Amino acid sequence: EAGVAQSPRYKIIEKRQSVAFWCNPISGHATLYWYQQILGQGPKLLIQFQNNGVVDDSQLPKDRFSAERLKGVDSTLKIQPAKLEDSAVYLCASTQQGGGTQYFGPGTRLLVL
Amino acid sequence: TQLLEQSPQFLSIQEGENLTVYCNSSSVFSSLQWYRQEPGEGPVLLVTVVTGGEVKKLKRLTFQFGDARKDSSLHITAAQPGDTGLYLCAGDPAGNMLTFGGGTRLMVKP
Repeated sequence: EAGVAQSPRYKIIEKRQSVAFWCNPISGHATLYWYQQILGQGPKLLIQFQNNGVVDDSQLPKDRFSAERLKGVDSTLKIQPAKLEDSAVYLCASTQQGGGTQYFGPGTRLLVL
Repeated sequence: TQLLEQSPQFLSIQEGENLTVYCNSSSVFSSLQWYRQEPGEGPVLLVTVVTGGEVKKLKRLTFQFGDARKDSSLHITAAQPGDTGLYLCAGDPAGNMLTFGGGTRLMVKP
């Protein structure tokens, strides 16, 4: 069974530029999560989707971050414009249903200069 | 202030030594999970503890959930270089939102 796929694996941009990350969850997993993991810290949940609907986005900085999961499968997370403090690893995870074991992708490492 | 505090933050030991890492909170959790994360990878679930006082063993790893369900510990016996990684505890205080601790970065030297 294929795991959670994420791309790109690495991205370097300058501040004020835009960036987008892509996630393909495990087939059949209805729930998808995006986390931000700053160096030296644990992951912090940004947004949770159930199929194509948002369950919780209370910790998403909506002035610059956006996410969508239009068809209830793949998801994209966008930052526009990026700030230096957005440098982090962005992890995507999925579960069959909310509350089940979360399977994480390898993450996208973002560096904002 | 994090909901889950992990200690120590860093631990460097020699192969064969024993170690314990801690995960503490002032909040009660219905369950706590332990993950291991290797460089360049996402966290991988090791165990979920559910019942207060519960002890679970996974080969050389022993996980304990506090009686009051506010804290947990991970003990590794005879650590090996392959145990090197970031150990994260995570809890779900309300609903399905996992909250992670800051992690313990373990290095086991051969």
